[in-house]
Amino acid sequence: DQQVKQNSPSLSVQEGRISILNCDYTNSMFDYFLWYKKYPAEGPTFLISISSIKDKNEDGRFTVFLNKSAKHLSLHIVPSQPGDSAVYFCAASASGANNLFFGTGTRLTVIP
Amino acid sequence: EPEVTQTPSHQVTQMGQEVILRCVPISNHLYFYWYRQILGQKVEFLVSFYNNEISEKSEIFDDQFSVERPDGSNFTLKIRSTKLEDSAMYFCASIEQGTLNSPLHFGNGTRLTVT
Repeated sequence: DQQVKQNSPSLSVQEGRISILNCDYTNSMFDYFLWYKKYPAEGPTFLISISSIKDKNEDGRFTVFLNKSAKHLSLHIVPSQPGDSAVYFCAASASGANNLFFGTGTRLTVIP
Repeated sequence: EPEVTQTPSHQVTQMGQEVILRCVPISNHLYFYWYRQILGQKVEFLVSFYNNEISEKSEIFDDQFSVERPDGSNFTLKIRSTKLEDSAMYFCASIEQGTLNSPLHFGNGTRLTVT
C-alpha cells in the first residue's frame, strides 16, 4: 500500500540548471507535505514543507508546488548545486495523524 | 542546533538474538518515533510514543518489538528475537508538538544487520 509515490528513482541535472522532483499521493486525507533530503550515513533532514491550504511555498532556492486536484507535488531546486546531490524523500501526513508516510526517494545527482 | 542522537551506528547480531537500539531525542521534544528503511525501500513508520506510552504503531511493529523511555533522556527500541528481515536502517525521530504540522527531526540511524 504505497500512499506516497516517487516514480523517478534517480535524476541527473547540470549545475546551475533547475532540478524538478515529483511526488504523487493517493490519500485525499493528507494535508501536510514535506520534503526531506538524505545524505549517505545520515538521517533524513527536513528541507521544506507545504500545507494543503497553499499551492506554493518557497524557501531560497527551494520551492514546493502542490496540486491538490492531481494529488501531486513537486520540488524545484534552482539553481542546482553539486552539494544538492542526495536522496530526496517526499512525505505526507493527515491532520491529527501521528505518523508520516514516505515515498521511496529520488536520488538527485548534480553534475558540476 | 540540537540533534537526535542514536547509538550504536551499526549493530550486527545473530538471528534470534535480542537487540536494543538507543536514541536520545531533542531535550524539549515530547513525541518520539521509530522509523526503519530496508535497503532500497521507503522509510516506514514503526511506532510513535508520547507520555510514556505508545500512541500509534504500524503493522510492522508486532510483538517482537517494544519501546521504552527508561529515564528522562533515552528512548529505546527493542527487538526480542531478531529475524533476517529485520536488517534495516532504524531511525529515531522526535518532535516538540503532537501534530505533524512541523517537521520531524531524525537521528542518523542505526544500521542493524541480522546474520
